[in-house]
Amino acid sequence: DIVMTQSPDSLAVSLGERATINCKSSQSVLYSSNNKNDLAWYQQKPGQPPKVLIYWASTRESGVPDRFSGSGSGTDFTLTISSLQAEDVAVYYCQQYYTTPTTFGQGTKVEIK
Amino acid sequence: EVQVVESGGGLVQPGRSLRLSCAASGFTFDDYAMHWVRQAPGKGLEWVSGISWNSGSIGYADSVKGRFTISRDNAKNSVYLQMNSLRAEDTALYYCARSYGDYSHFDYWGQGTLVTVSS
Repeated sequence: DIVMTQSPDSLAVSLGERATINCKSSQSVLYSSNNKNDLAWYQQKPGQPPKVLIYWASTRESGVPDRFSGSGSGTDFTLTISSLQAEDVAVYYCQQYYTTPTTFGQGTKVEIK
Repeated sequence: EVQVVESGGGLVQPGRSLRLSCAASGFTFDDYAMHWVRQAPGKGLEWVSGISWNSGSIGYADSVKGRFTISRDNAKNSVYLQMNSLRAEDTALYYCARSYGDYSHFDYWGQGTLVTVSS
C-alpha cells in the first residue's frame, strides 16, 4: 500500500497569513499516460464530512476559494492557504487514488494563532 | 441537488452483523463508482471498500477483507455494505462517497452513519 505522510500534524497561523501543509507519498502517484498526479486534498470541519478542495494535485474543485492551491509532483505535494480565514479552521487530508487501496494522510489540524 | 444518505448504523455486539445502506439522488448513479470510508472517533480517514459503476470491479481494505461485502443496485440508486464478524475496532462513522471513475477523488460524501461495536 502507498503510505501518505503529512507534515506538520498541526499548525497555528494568524489570520491573513499563509498556511502550508506537506504530503509525501511512499511511491510516485504520477500517472504517466496523462501526466497527472493522482493526489487530492480534503478539508474536514468538526461534525462535517470531508470536502474535496484540490484534485490532480493542483486542480481546484468548483466553488473552492482561490486562496487554496495545490502543488507538487511525483511523491511530494503541498497545500497552501494563501491568506488564512477563520472559516478555514479544519483538519486537512491528502489522498492518493493512484492505486487500490486508496490511502489518506493522517491529517493536519489548522488553527488560528 | 446531489444527495447521499447513509443508514443502518447502530450498536452491535462483537461477532454480530450489520448492513449499511447508502441512498443516492440528484445525479446519474450508474455514472459513478461508490465507496465506503470510515473514521474512528477522533481519528483519520480509512477507505473500507469501493465498487465500480457496474459492479465489475470491487476492492476492500485488508482490515475488512473476508468480513465485509459491498454491493450496489443501480435500479434503486443504492449501495450497501454487509458487515459480518464485527470487531471493536470497526467502531467508526461510516461515510458513503462517490467518485467519477474507479481511480478518482471522492467529490461528494454523505453525512455518515455511526457503527458502534461493543458488548
